[in-house]
Amino acid sequence: KQEVTQIPAALSVPEGENLVLNCSFTDSAIYNLQWFRQDPGKGLTSLLLIQSSQREQTSGRLNASLDKSSGRSTLYIAASQPGDSATYLCAVIPMAAGNKLTFGGGTRVLVKP
Amino acid sequence: KAGVTQTPRYLIKTRGQQVTLSCSPISGHRSVSWYQQTPGQGLQFLFEYFSETQRNKGNFPGRFSGRQFSNSRSEMNVSTLELGDSALYLCASSPLGGGAYEQYFGPGTRLTVT
Repeated sequence: KQEVTQIPAALSVPEGENLVLNCSFTDSAIYNLQWFRQDPGKGLTSLLLIQSSQREQTSGRLNASLDKSSGRSTLYIAASQPGDSATYLCAVIPMAAGNKLTFGGGTRVLVKP
Repeated sequence: KAGVTQTPRYLIKTRGQQVTLSCSPISGHRSVSWYQQTPGQGLQFLFEYFSETQRNKGNFPGRFSGRQFSNSRSEMNVSTLELGDSALYLCASSPLGGGAYEQYFGPGTRLTVT
């Protein structure tokens, strides 16, 4: 059974510092991995999708890497801003699971001005 | 393009009642998935529909059901509500099934069962 873990559960950094968010999964047989952002009480906003054949994806200040063999992904957010404060969730789609996403518990980020 | 929409946004129901939630996917998307989010269990997969057929189902009791219409809009129904069904219900849409595409979520329906 696929399990996804995100450590730490919460993180606080001063504005301008780079953020490093970790995600690990137990079964490397995944189709892809997706990072999301969730603001309190809101839905999920897709940040990046990494296909299993890719090593990384970039979008603006965001960069996500994927090491399938070790079951790890890392989301880097450069030069953090207070507006980056949110919960960040990673999710994997196991092989042959259709569109079923298996989520980690999330990392709650606070960027202090 | 309009995003994923969910109605209603908030709902208060009493134990034993039933509820129907609606999800309209992004135009052209044919796959709709439903998730339950609670503080204790996090995000859990309920089911996925593609071309009006349920393709995948999570580990929820039979009180939770869904359907998809020919225009890809989807509804989920919860019968005989329990206090533990209080949660944020999210739906996600994707162009196709199979897991290869990015999924986009709606704003959710907050269900409170009293």
